[in-house]
Amino acid sequence: AAGVIQSPRHLIKEKRETATLKCYPIPRHDTVYWYQQGPGQDPQFLISFYEKMQSDKGSIPDRFSAQQFSDYHSELNMSSLELGDSALYFCASSLGPGLALNNEQFFGPGTRLTVL
Amino acid sequence: AQSVTQLGSHVSVSEGALVLLRCNYSSSVPPYLFWYVQYPNQGLQLLLKYTSAATLVKGINGFEAEFKKSETSFHLTKPSAHMSDAAEYFCALGVSFQKLVFGTGTRLLVSP
Repeated sequence: AAGVIQSPRHLIKEKRETATLKCYPIPRHDTVYWYQQGPGQDPQFLISFYEKMQSDKGSIPDRFSAQQFSDYHSELNMSSLELGDSALYFCASSLGPGLALNNEQFFGPGTRLTVL
Repeated sequence: AQSVTQLGSHVSVSEGALVLLRCNYSSSVPPYLFWYVQYPNQGLQLLLKYTSAATLVKGINGFEAEFKKSETSFHLTKPSAHMSDAAEYFCALGVSFQKLVFGTGTRLLVSP
């Protein structure tokens, strides 16, 4: 079965550079979530989109922005990168928003961002 | 505030032994609770979920969890550990109808 696709899988950037992470949800899934997992830490919710509109927002820095496109894929744009942004960034998708019985979040393999 | 606490950052068991990973939650509304497993360099895979139906939830790979409101707990168990169960396990709470709040994770080590 098709899963959530994230690209790139690994990314190395210098401080103050920009990075763009991409997420392709499972076909027919209309909701996308972004999470950040620092080294040895639990995943932290950043932001989510439903039907191309932002649906919820967590601890996402102002330097980060995200959007969901007409084909439901999403991009997380990160500017003025800092050393502390080094983390594993997960994307998840679901069919419909909310955490009801059938709206399970399926996670992608993550993008590992290293800021030097 | 809604939060999740996982007791024990590391749990070590022998192959064939009982696995018990502890999770306590704090929520002002009836919770949605989840257990995820993460293998090295991989994404999060859902093991099981509680959504106010049966309090004993069975998941994949022989895992199950019991929701106990009086104890605000959702501990994960498996009767007999396999080597392949060695991974990081996260308990998560569904909040604000969408996002998940994760615990700090428990690394399960299985020795032969």
